[in-house]
Amino acid sequence: GEDVEQSLFLSVREGDSSVINCTYTDSSSTYLYWYKQEPGAGLQLLTYIFSNMDMKQDQRLTVLLNKKDKHLSLRIADTQTGDSAIYFCAESRYSSASKIIFGSGTRLSIRP
Amino acid sequence: GAVVSQHPSWVICKSGTSVKIECRSLDFQATTMFWYRQFPKQSLMLMATSNEGSKATYEQGVEKDKFLINHASLTLSTLTVTSAHPEDSSFYICSAPSPGNEQFFGPGTRLTVL
Repeated sequence: GEDVEQSLFLSVREGDSSVINCTYTDSSSTYLYWYKQEPGAGLQLLTYIFSNMDMKQDQRLTVLLNKKDKHLSLRIADTQTGDSAIYFCAESRYSSASKIIFGSGTRLSIRP
Repeated sequence: GAVVSQHPSWVICKSGTSVKIECRSLDFQATTMFWYRQFPKQSLMLMATSNEGSKATYEQGVEKDKFLINHASLTLSTLTVTSAHPEDSSFYICSAPSPGNEQFFGPGTRLTVL
C-alpha cells in the first residue's frame, strides 16, 4: 500500500537549519515531492526528486533520498520567518502526472 | 507557468443542499484531474481521479453517489457535493497534470455546511 509519514511539528531558531523527515512505504514510488502550504493558502511545490537520485539542491533547499530505507528529508538552510508553514512530503508512483499521495504534514515554526 | 483555478474559493451552504465546485486548467488541456479533501490541520486525502470521457475513479471509502464528478471538457472538472452535511465541511483542492507532466494545484475551495 501507499503510506507517507512525517513528524507533526518542528521548531527551529531563525537562522538555523531546519530538517524535515519523511518515510514512505511504496517501493514503486518514482517521484518524491516537498510541498509548502501557508495558512489558508494552496499548495506550493518546493522541489521534487526522482527515485534514482540521492540528493538534489536548490538554493536554500537540499533534498536527501535514502531509497533503501525509504527515507526522504528536506533541509532548509538559514531558516527565516517566512519559512513558517506546513511542509508536506508526497509521492507518486508512475509519473509526475499520476495521483499524488501526501504525508500528514510537518508544521514548521520559527522562533527568534 | 500553468495555472489551475477553482471556483468558488469559498462557499457556505445549508445542510441538505448540493454544492458544485469547478476546477479549470487555464492554459493547458488535462484529460485527468484529481480531487483532494483537506480537513483542518490534516493532510490532503485523494478522493477521486476525474477522467475526461469516462467515469471517475474513486478512492476507497469515498462515496461516489455523494461526490459526483464530471469531467465536462479537457479544461474543466466539477465536483458536486450532494446533500451536504456539516461533516462535509472541508477544504477541497484539485490538481491537473500539464502536458509536461508537472502537476499543478488549484487554490482550493473552502466549503462550510451549516
